[in-house]
Amino acid sequence: QVQLQQWGAGLLKPSETLSLTCAVYGGSFSGYYWSWIRQPPGKGLEWIGEINHSGSTNYNPSLKSRVTISVDTSKNQFSLKLSSVTAADTAVYYCAMERDLAAAGTQDQPAFDIWGQGTMVTVSS
Amino acid sequence: EIVLTQSPGTLSLSPGERATLSCRASQSVSSSYLAWYQQKPGQAPRLLIYGASSRATGIPDRFSGSGSGTDFTLTISRLEPEDFAVYYCQQYGSSPRVTFGQGTKLEIK
Repeated sequence: QVQLQQWGAGLLKPSETLSLTCAVYGGSFSGYYWSWIRQPPGKGLEWIGEINHSGSTNYNPSLKSRVTISVDTSKNQFSLKLSSVTAADTAVYYCAMERDLAAAGTQDQPAFDIWGQGTMVTVSS
Repeated sequence: EIVLTQSPGTLSLSPGERATLSCRASQSVSSSYLAWYQQKPGQAPRLLIYGASSRATGIPDRFSGSGSGTDFTLTISRLEPEDFAVYYCQQYGSSPRVTFGQGTKLEIK
């Protein structure tokens, strides 16, 4: 059973860079997309971006100028960096695994079926 | 960008009742790319439904999904106490590749 374990600094000052890492245990790292998703306190979910094992990335345009997602296949880990943080970046950050859950030979049916435990990141002076 | 609008914002029902949650997209969404999640306080979201109507592993059959095009529905046939939570729909599109609805809070009446 695949498990995701994430970690990173929980308290940042404005203008600093947020840095989180997510490790994948118990399954293959290749062949999937790995995402970061965040949730401000009391609010909904926002997709930040994704990466696959070969390093191909997609980012949310609303955050693209400040986001870098990278992968270390030797450690089965992927990481998030978000630069120039402000109070608006205060949120719980989740890593998540996207899998195609469709039956073989049918159209893709992707979904996030494995999530990390979440990391609360607070930005405050 | 495809915007997902969920309604109602809050739904107050009693255990044993039927819950119907709506997710409306601003543009047509492929049914294959529509999912539903349940989130309880302090927990990560849990996948309930993928491909608009397929239940994820371990999800009770009182949960069902339906819909196509721009209108999708999550139905909980008989509410159990553990079903009271926040529910999100999510779609895969172009840019951004992933968007979520704003959520429906299902609370005990």
